[in-house]
Parts: sequence; C-alpha cells; structure tokens
Amino acid sequence: EDKVVQSPLSLVVHEGDTVTLNCSYEVTNFRSLLWYKQEKKAPTFLFMLTSSGIEKKSGRLSSILDKKELSSILNITATQTGDSAIYLCALTGNQFYFGTGTSLTVIP
Amino acid sequence: GAGVSQSPSNKVTEKGKDVELRCDPISGHTALYWYRQSLGQGLEFLIYFQGNSAPDKSGLPSDRFSAERTGGSVSTLTIQRTQQEDSAVYLCASSLTGGVRSYNEQFFGPGTRLTVL
Repeated sequence: EDKVVQSPLSLVVHEGDTVTLNCSYEVTNFRSLLWYKQEKKAPTFLFMLTSSGIEKKSGRLSSILDKKELSSILNITATQTGDSAIYLCALTGNQFYFGTGTSLTVIP
Repeated sequence: GAGVSQSPSNKVTEKGKDVELRCDPISGHTALYWYRQSLGQGLEFLIYFQGNSAPDKSGLPSDRFSAERTGGSVSTLTIQRTQQEDSAVYLCASSLTGGVRSYNEQFFGPGTRLTVL
C-alpha cells in the first residue's frame, strides 16, 4: 500500500532553534518528492526532489532525499515565528500522495 | 497577474443536496488539480486535468464526485447527495504543464470550505 508518513506530528521550538522534519514513504513508481509549507488553507511549494543525495537549499531551508532509506528531511535553521506552519511532504508516483504534515510552532 | 481563484469561498449545505465548486486556474496553465483537506487529515489528491481531459480520476472518493473542465480553463467539481463526511476544504491548483509524470510547480487557490449539516 502506498503511503507517506511524516514525523514528528507536531513540534514546538524557540526562535533561533534548528529543526529537522522527516518524511518516509512507500510509493509505487516513485517520481519525485515535494515539500510544501501550509499556512491557513493553501500550501506553498518549497522543494522538489528527484535525485538521492543532492541537497536543495533556499535561505534557511534545505532538504535532501535518500532513496535507499525511502525518506527525506527538511531542515530549518535559525527558526523565526514566521516559520510556524504545517509542513507537508508529498510524493508523485502513480498519483499524488500526501503525508498528514508536521505542525511547527516557533515561539518568541 | 491573477492567481488561481475558487468560488464560493464558503458553502454550507444540507445533507443530500448537490453542490458545485468552481476553480479558475491561472491563464495559460494547462494542468489543473483538485485536492481535499479534511480536518486533521493530510491533503488528499482527487483528480487532475491535462487540458479538458482527466487522465487520472482514481482519487475521487466515490461516484458521487465528478469533475469537468471546459475550454481548457474553468473547472467544476460536483458532489451529489452530499454527506457529512464530505465536509472539508476543497483546494484547486494549476500548473503550466503537469500530471504525475512531469511535475511543474503548482499554484494553489484559496480553497472552498464545504460544510455539510
């Protein structure tokens, strides 16, 4: 059965902390792994990963895919209150598969 | 330029009634996607369109759900005989080209919050 599992389910940190969010998957015909940031209703795209071991970076955010371990991590360094959101991991295989997300709360 | 728009933003209906949700994608985007987010659940893929055709309808939860797209633009998601478990936020997204085989960045609309009483 195809599935995407994210951990932790929720996380509360202080500003300036570094966080690591995890996504593991079992997907038939893996094509890509996507990270989204969801505030309010609509997710915004962060990264798309297709190749194992190649880090993608955008400001304080970075992500890497490990196809051998069937997982990906999303790192956020020097967290800010504006990073508070749900972070969604999604896979494209035969269709789109989404995890339930990690809820991150950054407190001042 | 204008982003993806959806209407209505909120819809409250009675169990058993039919509802229609509308999505206007970004002009020129050939791919259009429908998702559903229920309370406490992850984002659930429903269907995507490439032009006016829907290569993949396997995400539609039951035969009460249908969707169409006309003129390669506007799409409507119809839910017949609504049930309380249909209550969710229905999100639409569009991308320049797309589908599961060739991902392009998706731009999401604000969603329609459907409540079935």
